[in-house]
Amino acid sequence: AQTVTQSQPEMSVQEAETVTLSCTYDTSESDYYLFWYKQPPSRQMILVIRQEAYKQQNATENRFSVNFQKAAKSFSLKISDSQLGDAAMYFCAYGPTAGGTSYGKLTFGQGTILTVHP
Amino acid sequence: KAGVTQTPRYLIKTRGQQVTLSCSPISGHRSVSWYQQTPGQGLQFLFEYFSETQRNKGNFPGRFSGRQFSNSRSEMNVSTLELGDSALYLCASSPRADYDYGYTFGSGTRLTVV
Repeated sequence: AQTVTQSQPEMSVQEAETVTLSCTYDTSESDYYLFWYKQPPSRQMILVIRQEAYKQQNATENRFSVNFQKAAKSFSLKISDSQLGDAAMYFCAYGPTAGGTSYGKLTFGQGTILTVHP
Repeated sequence: KAGVTQTPRYLIKTRGQQVTLSCSPISGHRSVSWYQQTPGQGLQFLFEYFSETQRNKGNFPGRFSGRQFSNSRSEMNVSTLELGDSALYLCASSPRADYDYGYTFGSGTRLTVV
């Protein structure tokens, strides 16, 4: 079974600084998707960024970028120019694609609480 | 465009009762997944539906069931509630049967079993 590990229960960053959240995963599959979701106090999970395993290029979305190391099974999230609104719980998630019937079954890490200090 | 709507937002039930939670996906989305979120176990996959068919089911007892209607709206039911069923139940939808668009989540239903 696939597992996702986020080794940092909590992280903090100063406003305008850069922070990196770590995520490692375990899978025997060669094709899959990885996601970072953000969950603010409003409870709604918001998709931050998505990476397809077969694409070597790291995904970026404005201030958010990932460092995807497939061989090391590592998928870290870098937040540049941190803003107060970035404060939230961040979840790393793995999405299988094997067999075409595994969609929708995301495996999540335990989450990292990010605090942004003004 | 309306997001994923989950009703009710909060629910208090007594042990032994049953409960039905509702999820209305984004218009045009055909895949709906359900997750249970607790402080101890984190986010756990319950089941996923696509075009009214359950394609995947997580490791939960048979007390947890769901269905999807022809308009893609989904319901999940928990029978014989236990204290441990207290959790935030999240629904997510996607337009297609793949991850190209990711999954869009609702704000969840907070279920408290007393």
